Amino acid sequence: DAKTTQPPSMDCAEGRAANLPCNHSTISGNEYVYWYRQIHSQGPQYIIHGLKNNETNEMASLIITEDRKSSTLILPHATLRDTAVYYCIVRPSVAGGTSYGKLTFGQGTILTVHP
Amino acid sequence: DTAVSQTPKYLVTQMGNDKSIKCEQNLGHDTMYWYKQDSKKFLKIMFSYNNKELIINETVPNRFSPKSPDKAHLNLHINSLELGDSAVYFCASSQGGATGGYTFGSGTRLTVV
Repeated sequence: DAKTTQPPSMDCAEGRAANLPCNHSTISGNEYVYWYRQIHSQGPQYIIHGLKNNETNEMASLIITEDRKSSTLILPHATLRDTAVYYCIVRPSVAGGTSYGKLTFGQGTILTVHP
Repeated sequence: DTAVSQTPKYLVTQMGNDKSIKCEQNLGHDTMYWYKQDSKKFLKIMFSYNNKELIINETVPNRFSPKSPDKAHLNLHINSLELGDSAVYFCASSQGGATGGYTFGSGTRLTVV
């Protein structure tokens, strides 16, 4: 079962920031938060990940609360091409064991960017 | 210069047939995966291989048999296909032990009729 909770859908106006929340209240100390998205009929695409600190790359920013029980993915200037299903996933960082490497996808958030 | 490539992209076949889906990655990753996305759009892991060794095997019927001839290839063979096997199958790769993201292929849409 997925260890994250996300709203099923969100809307955003083109050019505005899209803020996608994720709750992961049972996250363990060695678990990272990953974000992926899936544009219709394509394979999931990696966006960003983080452990404790906020992270930023060319695609997005990831804000993780101090208690690590929730996070927010920020797309600073959403475009129509950002319309997709966004998945928040927690994954252990320690190698070994049968759970390592396994991404458990939940239902995700359907983000619709409109003109 | 596709990173993770799957063939075929579409596969339509009759019940009872045996079929294979091929996957190749040119990223130098040592871990490869098969995921299944059903009609309800849930993505679930099926198998994971690290350096040709099976490390994750979810509760998948034994009609599904992955084969990894080398760490750049992970093929999926399915025997005696059933209607319920219809889905989109995604191959992915990552560097084991690293925390970077996974790279997924574009998927193979399997339709069993």
